[in-house]
This record gives sequence, structure tokens and C-alpha cells, in this order.
Amino acid sequence: EVQLVESGGGLVQPGGSLRLSCAASGFTFSSFWMHWVRQVPGKGLVWVSRINMDGSSTGYADSVKGRFTISRDNAKNTLYLQMNSLRAEDTAVYYCQRSLDYWGQGTLVTVSS
Amino acid sequence: EIVLTQSPGTLSLSPGERATLSCRASQSVSSNFLAWYQQKPGQAPRLLIYGASSRATGIPDNFSGSGSGTDFTLTISRLEPEDFAVYYCQQYGSPPNTFGQGTKVEIK
Repeated sequence: EVQLVESGGGLVQPGGSLRLSCAASGFTFSSFWMHWVRQVPGKGLVWVSRINMDGSSTGYADSVKGRFTISRDNAKNTLYLQMNSLRAEDTAVYYCQRSLDYWGQGTLVTVSS
Repeated sequence: EIVLTQSPGTLSLSPGERATLSCRASQSVSSNFLAWYQQKPGQAPRLLIYGASSRATGIPDNFSGSGSGTDFTLTISRLEPEDFAVYYCQQYGSPPNTFGQGTKVEIK
């Protein structure tokens, strides 16, 4: 069974940093592109970042470019999102997504003083 | 960036009725790389359709996708009680991937 389990969310002050993790199981992690997508509670989905299978190519939404870094450890079957210089508008539930088809349950990031 | 506009914002229908949801792109979606997702409160989205018209694994055949270029449609032929939810389209043909703002299908 494919499983994606996010962790690392929480409350952080503006300007702070947080690293999200997404532990993958039930499939060959190194064979899939992975994405991070976020959603402000009650609002729509917003694509954040993507990474290719071996980690050599990444992409970011303009709103996070230069502040967020996506990476992966295929030996540990884990996807990461390093979030720096966090702003109030980064407050959201962050989902990891396998290609198109599987999503984790999300982890809530709250940026507030 | 490709902007996706979904309409209507809310669709009020009764169980058994047909639902037609629209997703219009600001420019042509490369290779018709357009997906549809369903999201229920407190849950992660679920992939319904990819490549504009291919049903994802386990998705019942009362869900169908159509369209090409800039105009796409998700049709639910006969609404079941569990189909009342929010639906999003997403294009993944031209980076950055973008989502529409969603259509809520509610019980009339």
C-alpha cells in the first residue's frame, strides 16, 4: 500500500525556519517525481515545488523561490522541504504528492508571532 | 504561468442529477496534461482524471473527463451522496503546475 506521511509542521515565528519531511512507503520512491502542494484551510490548492527522480532538477512557485528548498533522500525514501524566511502568508497545510496520484494527509505550518 | 479558471464556483444539485464542471486555461495546456481532483472536508485530494480524459485507478465510470487545448470538462453522470465535495483541475504540462480555484458541488 502506498503511504506518504508528512511531519515537521508546527508554529514558527515570522522569519523563522522549518523543515518538512515526507516518509514514503509501499512503492519504489526513486522512480517518481515528487511535489509539495499547500492549502490555506478553507481555500484552494497551491503548487509549491517539485523534484525529479534523482533530485537533479527542481522547480518552485514564484512565491517561495529563494526561500524554500526541496530535496530527497532516495536511500531513506524521504522527501524534504526546507522553508526559510517564513512569512504569515506561508501558513497552510502542506501536502506531499507522488507524481499526480497519491497524497499524504498533510502537515500544518503556522507562521505567527 | 497558466491560469486555470473553474466554473461555476458552486453547483447545487440533487443526488441522481448530472454535474458538469468547467476548467478553462489562459493558454493551451501542453499535451492535454490536465488532471481533476476531488477533495472532501478534512481529507487530502484524490486524483480522479489525468491526461484530460483517463480515469485514475479505482475511479468509477460515472466520472468522465473531456476537452483539449484550453477548455476542459469533468462530468459526473449521476451524483451519488459521496460525490458532494470540492473539485479542482490542475495543469501539469507547463511549469509551474497550477490549480484552478475549485468548484464546490453541494446538495440542493
